[in-house]
Amino acid sequence: SQQGEEDPQALSIQEGENATMNCSYKTSINNLQWYRQNSGRGLVHLILIRSNEREKHSGRLRVTLDTSKKSSSLLITASRAADTASYFCATGSVQGAQKLVFGQGTRLTINP
Amino acid sequence: DADVTQTPRNRITKTGKRIMLECSQTKGHDRMYWYRQDPGLGLRLIYYSFDVKDINKGEISDGYSVSRQAQAKFSLSLESAIPNQTALYFCATSLGGLSQPQHFGDGTRLSIL
Repeated sequence: SQQGEEDPQALSIQEGENATMNCSYKTSINNLQWYRQNSGRGLVHLILIRSNEREKHSGRLRVTLDTSKKSSSLLITASRAADTASYFCATGSVQGAQKLVFGQGTRLTINP
Repeated sequence: DADVTQTPRNRITKTGKRIMLECSQTKGHDRMYWYRQDPGLGLRLIYYSFDVKDINKGEISDGYSVSRQAQAKFSLSLESAIPNQTALYFCATSLGGLSQPQHFGDGTRLSIL
């Protein structure tokens, strides 16, 4: 079963607006990662946040992590048409095998 | 990511055929992974390898096998393909443990008729 659950499943906004995607997970983690997937391409790593971090920035991306609620959010500010893609969270657990578990993704569409 | 190359990019085949998907990397990473992506289901891990002599099953390994021929090469085989194995398959690599990002190839789109 999937560890991460993204919300919403699909999001459509106007160019220039901010986009927020959420990820919830079930077990304790040591880090959470966000990836982007453009249509027909492989996933590209965006940002990693460790379990002892609460917020991290990278350019127009802002990621928060609330381990008490087992949730994370990805904010893309001042969206551009090129941000149109699917976004996935992936969690690395402190228990079990050393592997990432991916959520189902949020499909983001930026309208010009 | 051109550093992780998957071949073929597309494949159409028939039920019962044996199929091999290949992955090679020039990143020098020790860990390699095979995932399957189906619409609405995200990525599911099939097999992963921490080095040439360390192969591990993922959550959906039934019907699949792998071979790590060298640090840079990791192939996935479908012994007797069935239609529900139609999916997009991704190879990924990483250096070290879970705190490192994974680097993905552009995928193989596999259709089994």
